[in-house]
Amino acid sequence: AQSVTQLGSHVSVSEGALVLLRCNYSSSVPPYLFWYVQYPNQGLQLLLKYTTGATLVKGINGFEAEFKKSETSFHLTKPSAHMSDAAEYFCAVTRGGLSGGYQKVTFGTGTKLQVIP
Amino acid sequence: GAVVSQHPSRVICKSGTSVKIECRSLDFQATTMFWYRQFPKQSLMLMATSNEGSKATYEQGVEKDKFLINHASLTLSTLTVTSAHPEDSSFYICSAKGTGRTQYFGPGTRLLVL
Repeated sequence: AQSVTQLGSHVSVSEGALVLLRCNYSSSVPPYLFWYVQYPNQGLQLLLKYTTGATLVKGINGFEAEFKKSETSFHLTKPSAHMSDAAEYFCAVTRGGLSGGYQKVTFGTGTKLQVIP
Repeated sequence: GAVVSQHPSRVICKSGTSVKIECRSLDFQATTMFWYRQFPKQSLMLMATSNEGSKATYEQGVEKDKFLINHASLTLSTLTVTSAHPEDSSFYICSAKGTGRTQYFGPGTRLLVL
């Protein structure tokens, strides 16, 4: 079984401030982890993903996330928020470590980021 | 790369009619496509998973006769909402994956049933 918990359904930051969106996961096997962003009335866009290897993953738009196995976390950060970062962000987990076949992806409930000018 | 399109982006229909939504992977072959439903201010709910040339696998509680899925080719899957009712109004999103584990999402289709 796998699950994702995103702490805080709404996060507000000032423009230029640090963005921190929290994600904790539960998985019985090594996970693959994803962050997606959704703008209003649009689909999801992949920001970044962790599969294996380096635990600090860099994505698009200046975002990065660090996989911390001991804390079962995959928090998303950005040093300086832009107005264009205002959107909803979803963390997701799937089973890793298998060579093939489809593994169901479980999404968190999302965090809406508001950027204040 | 990894672009997924959906058509239409928005559809309004009368109660009792059927609506077809197309999902296409534009620059890769999608071995598997997924259909999600998203209610306002909520996360994505997986409705079904489809592999090219085979029957879709529906999640528990999703009526397969209501939501018909066809995955005719490696680049096209369709979702038909049959005899739509107002409670079917929602945002439907498809995604596709190739040989890797990452899903790439379409832009979504907003369905409003009057």
